[in-house]
Amino acid sequence: QSALTQEVSVSGTVGQKVTLSCTGNSNNVGSFGVAWYQEIFHGGPKTVMFGNSLPSGIPDRFSGSKSGTTASLTISGLQPEDEADYYCSTWDSSLSVVVFGGGTKLTVL
Amino acid sequence: EVQLLESGGGLVQPGGSLRLSCVVSGFTFSRYAMNWVRQAPGKGLEWVSGLSGSGTNTYYADSVKGRFTISRDNSKNTLFLQMNSPRAEDTARYYCAKSSGVLIAGYYMDVWGKGTTVNVSS
Repeated sequence: QSALTQEVSVSGTVGQKVTLSCTGNSNNVGSFGVAWYQEIFHGGPKTVMFGNSLPSGIPDRFSGSKSGTTASLTISGLQPEDEADYYCSTWDSSLSVVVFGGGTKLTVL
Repeated sequence: EVQLLESGGGLVQPGGSLRLSCVVSGFTFSRYAMNWVRQAPGKGLEWVSGLSGSGTNTYYADSVKGRFTISRDNSKNTLFLQMNSPRAEDTARYYCAKSSGVLIAGYYMDVWGKGTTVNVSS
């Protein structure tokens, strides 16, 4: 069982806006920035968001936010190449480890 | 360009040992913490271990604590993961990931390698 809870699957059509969520507690999501990693067919992870900061090279249709112990990754204007598995992650101060969510499979219809 | 290249994976027997390496380039290695993250077949990402830039602070997932050891050689721009007494459940693709800062806590993994595969089997 993962420390962070994510939807198992989310789907959307091209051009649609979708939001993925990541729920933790006060020791992790509630206290630290949350990163989002994209994995396309076991090609190795790629960082697409940290907090609400976009890494270099990531399109600005990706955005991040957080409210309390839930972080969100929003993709506005969904593209076929966005189809991937998405994982959220952050530091947990009570466990002194990095924690991951179980991952969300995003399907572009 | 920042690059991370893992090596050392392969077939290892349960109870044996294996050492993974990650050679980096394109940034000042000693200024950044580093991580190992793995993905078992059909499973999600699992953080394994992290190490501060100086090598002073180490962190481990409970699943590997006491069996795996993370270390670094800043003079050779290389990160290591010594895997002792591996188990079948350690079978996974292991990724080296650079932290965005000198510490693990409060930072994120901004650059990833392509990974190396470890298969624990008799």
